[in-house]
Amino acid sequence: QSVLTQPPSVSAAPGQKVTISCSGRGSNIGNNYLHWYQQLPGAAPKLLIFDNDKRPSGIPDRFSGSKSGTSGTLGITGLQTGDEADYYCGTWDSSLSSVVFGGGTKLTVL
Amino acid sequence: EVQLVESGGGLVQPGGSLRLSCAASGFPFRTNWMHWVRQAPGEGLAWVSRIKDDGSVTNYADSVRGRVTISRDNAKNTLYLQMNSLRAEDTAVYFCSRDRDLSAWGQGTLVTVSS
Repeated sequence: QSVLTQPPSVSAAPGQKVTISCSGRGSNIGNNYLHWYQQLPGAAPKLLIFDNDKRPSGIPDRFSGSKSGTSGTLGITGLQTGDEADYYCGTWDSSLSSVVFGGGTKLTVL
Repeated sequence: EVQLVESGGGLVQPGGSLRLSCAASGFPFRTNWMHWVRQAPGEGLAWVSRIKDDGSVTNYADSVRGRVTISRDNAKNTLYLQMNSLRAEDTAVYFCSRDRDLSAWGQGTLVTVSS
């Protein structure tokens, strides 16, 4: 059971938009920055969004992040087959004194 | 270019020990918090431990506390994870990562605990 809650899977057609939710509580998302990671099949995770809504250099603006209260959302527009991956949200939990992750969401581009 | 290269994984019997290493380059290692994160086969990401830039603060996940020790050698730009009393459920790929947002990851090293 993960501390942060994500849907196990989402799917959409190429060119469409998809959103992935991540919910937590005050001790984690509510009072700390939320980050998102992309893990392509067989690869290491990669930082996709940091500090709620910022993109690292090289990440296309098709990827966006937002946070409100104890929840966050990752948005991906103009879906491509290359976006098929597992997506994880993560943050610091001040009560647990640990980094916590969501269980991951598998994106399928139909 | 930021590079993190893990090593030291392998097959170990239950109750055994292993020390993982993570060689860092391309960034000021001595000024970064560093983390270990693991991923069991077919499972999601699970944070293991973190250490402050100067080594003065460490934190551990409940699942490994008391069995695992994180350390670093800033002169060698290397992060370590000493794992003792290993259990089957410790079987996973172990990644090292940097900074509070886990902005860079290594390729991982596989630890298999089995008799």
